[in-house]
Amino acid sequence: SQTIHQWPATLVQPVGSPLSLECTVEGTSNPNLYWYRQAAGRGLQLLFYSVGIGQISSEVPQNLSASRPQDRQFILSSKKLLLSDSGFYLCACGGGLIGELFFGEGSRLTVL
Amino acid sequence: DAKTTQPPSMDCAEGRAANLPCNHSTISGNEYVYWYRQIHSQGPQYIIHGLKNNETNEMASLIITEDRKSSTLILPHATLRDTAVYYCIVEYNFNKFYFGSGTKLNVKP
Repeated sequence: SQTIHQWPATLVQPVGSPLSLECTVEGTSNPNLYWYRQAAGRGLQLLFYSVGIGQISSEVPQNLSASRPQDRQFILSSKKLLLSDSGFYLCACGGGLIGELFFGEGSRLTVL
Repeated sequence: DAKTTQPPSMDCAEGRAANLPCNHSTISGNEYVYWYRQIHSQGPQYIIHGLKNNETNEMASLIITEDRKSSTLILPHATLRDTAVYYCIVEYNFNKFYFGSGTKLNVKP
C-alpha cells in the first residue's frame, strides 16, 4: 500500500514569511494527490488536488499555492504567510483499487 | 463544499454498538459514500465505503438507505480506542473527497 511522507512535522513561522511543505509518496505511480488543511477544532478543507505532474486544481482562493514537479512529489507553498494560514496540513494520496485516500502524518503550522 | 451532514458529537458506552448517522440527500447515482475516522493529531484513516448495498468489513458495517440519501456507520462493539472524529464523505466527480465537520464519538467506560 501507499506510504505518504510529509515534512516538516511542525513549524512556527512569523507573519509575512514564506512557506514550503513537502509531501512524497511511495508504493504507487501516477497517484491523485491532495492537500487538506484543518483549522483547530474543525473538519478538513480541501485546498489543492492534482491528477498528474504540473496539473493542479485549486479549490478555494487563498494565500497558498501548490506544485507537483515530479509524479510522487507534491509541494504546498506561500510567499507571505498570514495568521489565518495556521493549521494542520495533510497530504493525501488516492488511486487505490477501492478509491480510498491514504494520508500522511501531517504538518502543524503556527503563524505568529 | 461537503455534501454531507452529521451530528457534531455522540456518546457510546464501551462494549455497546455505536451507530453514527449521515445525511447526503444530494448524492448522485454514481457517487460513493466513504467513512473515515481521525484520532487526535493524526491523519484520517479509511474505514469503509459503499454505493448501494450494505457493506461490512473487520472494522465496521455500513448501512445505506434504499434512496441513498442517508447512511449509518455501525461499530458493533465500541472500545475506548474508537474515540475519534468520524467523517462521512461523498466522493465527488470520482476524484474529489470533501470532508465535513464530522461526528466526535466519545466512548465511555
